[in-house]
Amino acid sequence: DIQMTQSPSSLSASVGDRVTITCRASQGISNYLAWFQQKPGKAPKSLIYAASSLQSGVPSKFSGSGSGTDFTLTISSLQPEDFATYYCQQYNSYPWTFGQGTKVEIK
Amino acid sequence: EVQLVESGGGLVKPGGSLRLSCAASGFTFSSYSMNWVRQAPGKGLEWVSSISSSSSYIYYADSVKGRFTISRDNAKNSLYLQMNSLRAEDTAVYYCARVRAHDGFGELKYYFDYWGQGTLVTVSS
Repeated sequence: DIQMTQSPSSLSASVGDRVTITCRASQGISNYLAWFQQKPGKAPKSLIYAASSLQSGVPSKFSGSGSGTDFTLTISSLQPEDFATYYCQQYNSYPWTFGQGTKVEIK
Repeated sequence: EVQLVESGGGLVKPGGSLRLSCAASGFTFSSYSMNWVRQAPGKGLEWVSSISSSSSYIYYADSVKGRFTISRDNAKNSLYLQMNSLRAEDTAVYYCARVRAHDGFGELKYYFDYWGQGTLVTVSS
């Protein structure tokens, strides 16, 4: 199975900060990488697929990059509604696997 | 508007069975592959199972293989998960999720787009 490792596991940031979350795959997955946002008690929300393509309706302050084994999610200017947990996920091969999550908290 | 509404969760004893349902609306259900993903309390997301649009292709996580069965009824716009021989470690919120295909270097790759709100399954004596 492909292991997905996110870093950091949590971070504290202020409104307006630029935030970057890293996701590393245990083997190459081309660009078959998705990112999700989840708020407490809510379902995940799909943000990005194919490493860098925004899902419909997702604001452009979210961006993704990477290929192979190393990927990043960047939030250009953190807003109050962005405080949540973010997950990466590989869909290159079954079983599809998720990172352990990165919790973005208010500083 | 795409809607996915799960139901069927509840409290069940270890070794028991439960059947989850997901009612889909707002899109042509028979054209999309569907999935179940779960999240144990306070934990991360775990993919459970996938089924193709015509049920021709089915995949399971090793943790549920042989105990869970995914199925769908395209006439009823519904997805199901039959869960047998339940264990305490199956306790989780179960989400129904749709996937879309994109062309990945000559082969189709599937990514999540819409998720349901989830249904809680608790396995406890």
